[in-house]
Amino acid sequence: GENVEQHPSTLSVQEGDSAVIKCTYSDSASNYFPWYKQELGKGPQLIIDIRSNVGEKKDQRIAVTLNKTAKHFSLHITETQPEDSAVYFCAASIGYKLSFGAGTTVTVRA
Amino acid sequence: SQTIHQWPATLVQPVGSPLSLECTVEGTSNPNLYWYRQAAGRGLQLLFYSVGIGQISSEVPQNLSASRPQDRQFILSSKKLLLSDSGFYLCAWTVGGGGGANVLTFGAGSRLTVL
Repeated sequence: GENVEQHPSTLSVQEGDSAVIKCTYSDSASNYFPWYKQELGKGPQLIIDIRSNVGEKKDQRIAVTLNKTAKHFSLHITETQPEDSAVYFCAASIGYKLSFGAGTTVTVRA
Repeated sequence: SQTIHQWPATLVQPVGSPLSLECTVEGTSNPNLYWYRQAAGRGLQLLFYSVGIGQISSEVPQNLSASRPQDRQFILSSKKLLLSDSGFYLCAWTVGGGGGANVLTFGAGSRLTVL
């Protein structure tokens, strides 16, 4: 099955700085790569996604890049704010199943 | 618009007791439905998924079972809970058909503590 690895497991950044989270996947057949943000005690919420026919996608302060050849994708958050503090999960999809990374706890220091 | 409901939100159960978590989706037909478990400080583990009524696929051998008695209802059950069943259980759905690659939307989660 698909194996998704996510790094780092924790990330502390100064408010206003950028945060980058990286993921790799194992199955070249994966074709959909979403990113989720989970706040304490809540279900994960989709923040951005990218499909395998696209190399980069941006939505305001959030961007995702995909390198199909290397089988890795990354989340970039610019101008971080305190409300960006949360756990972020990457995922890769084959067919009906979405496999998740282990998560990155992001803390934005004021 | 589509909404997903999951209950109960929290549950404290003794070891050996039964479990029933319920999930329903509104505003769509024939969704793909999923149960994930999240252990404390850990990632999301897919437990079961269903692409139609009565169709259940199990991802991990375990003490749990799932059923889909109606199109938009998904139930997670256990006959006898173990301590290791403690965790945060998340129901999710995607648009049905097409083989996947659709946005997965999660419910608010059910926190289970087995004592």
